[in-house]
Amino acid sequence: GENVEQHPSTLSVQEGDSAVIKCTYSDSASNYFPWYKQELGKRPQLIIDIRSNVGEKKDQRIAVTLNKTAKHFSLHITETQPEDSAVYFCAAFRQGGTALIFGKGTTLSVSS
Amino acid sequence: EAGVTQFPSHSVIEKGQTVTLRCDPISGHDNLYWYRRVMGKEIKFLLHFVKESKQDESGMPNNRFLAERTGGTYSTLKVQPAELEDSGVYFCASTRTSGATDTQYFGPGTRLTVL
Repeated sequence: GENVEQHPSTLSVQEGDSAVIKCTYSDSASNYFPWYKQELGKRPQLIIDIRSNVGEKKDQRIAVTLNKTAKHFSLHITETQPEDSAVYFCAAFRQGGTALIFGKGTTLSVSS
Repeated sequence: EAGVTQFPSHSVIEKGQTVTLRCDPISGHDNLYWYRRVMGKEIKFLLHFVKESKQDESGMPNNRFLAERTGGTYSTLKVQPAELEDSGVYFCASTRTSGATDTQYFGPGTRLTVL
């Protein structure tokens, strides 16, 4: 079955720096890759997603890149702010499948 | 529109007891998913309902777990009898359709602690 590896498990940056979180997946049939942000005590919320027919997607300070050949995708956050501090989860969805397969999460801490 | 709600937010029980978690999906969402996150690990799929039918329950750990969605609205997840390894955060999510591109909206989760 699908397996999603996520790195790093923790990431600390200074406010204004960039943060990059990387995920790899095993099932080449996966075609949808969402990223969720979970702030402390709150629900996971979708922040950006990418489908397998595009290589990059950007939304203000966040962007996601996808390399289908290498089977990895990354989340890029620029000009980080303290409110970006949260746990970020990547996930993969296999075409014809049922559910999202998640990575283990990355705890991002942004210090001012 | 109201989001996915879950009840209770926290539950602390003794090993061997029974606990029932409830999820109310977004109104009109036929698809309902249960996930679980054990501390430090990934959010793991448990099962998927389409309306009142179980579409996929391949992620259910064992027969101590029973999920229902009578009438195709809210869902319950019962753990009986609870074991220590059942501790974790149980999330519910819903989507309007089951297509791969439909966003899964998550509830706030129920934190279950089994002592």
